Amino acid sequence: GQQLNQSPQSMFIQEGEDVSMNCTSSSIFNTWLWYKQDPGEGPVLLIALYKAGELTSNGRLTAQFGITRKDSFLNISASIPSDVGIYFCAGLPAGGTSYGKLTFGQGTILTVHP
Amino acid sequence: EPEVTQTPSHQVTQMGQEVILRCVPISNHLYFYWYRQILGQKVEFLVSFYNNEISEKSEIFDDQFSVERPDGSNFTLKIRSTKLEDSAMYFCASSEENVATFGSGTQLSVL
Repeated sequence: GQQLNQSPQSMFIQEGEDVSMNCTSSSIFNTWLWYKQDPGEGPVLLIALYKAGELTSNGRLTAQFGITRKDSFLNISASIPSDVGIYFCAGLPAGGTSYGKLTFGQGTILTVHP
Repeated sequence: EPEVTQTPSHQVTQMGQEVILRCVPISNHLYFYWYRQILGQKVEFLVSFYNNEISEKSEIFDDQFSVERPDGSNFTLKIRSTKLEDSAMYFCASSEENVATFGSGTQLSVL
């Protein structure tokens, strides 16, 4: 099945720094989603991307749907302590038959030092 | 903000026992899903459900698993005879179209 390679696996940064993470795949995706997961909770949607080349912002978060449809990145600017958590990319593969059958990346664990 | 509600938040069971995990999806959503996340790993798709039937399932979703929408609001996942490797966080999700909203999960521990 489709695989998403997410990197980096973990990041340790100082408050105020910018963060960048990305996902790549050998397959084409129709939709890219970025979720954040806090300990013991379910993933919460941050940004949804629907078109190749699309660049979307949500506050300090910016994400882009790669032109090749095989990659996406998420940037967080001016990080704050509450940005701590696990960030997952997720995609809906092209040619899929079911809405919401998401393929998830392995996650990026973000730690922010005050 | 509408949300997906899951109960219980934690379930401990003995190997071989049946468990039922319950979910109340967002009321106007038409598509329902179960995912699981083994500790420290990524979230994995189990099954999708639409129009009162399974629309897609993964290789993980074998004969030990079943889903049901017994009434207009609940969506359940049953594991018939639990195994140690079924221990995981199970997430219910629902969507109108592409974007799934997840519940907070049920942590299942099989002893």
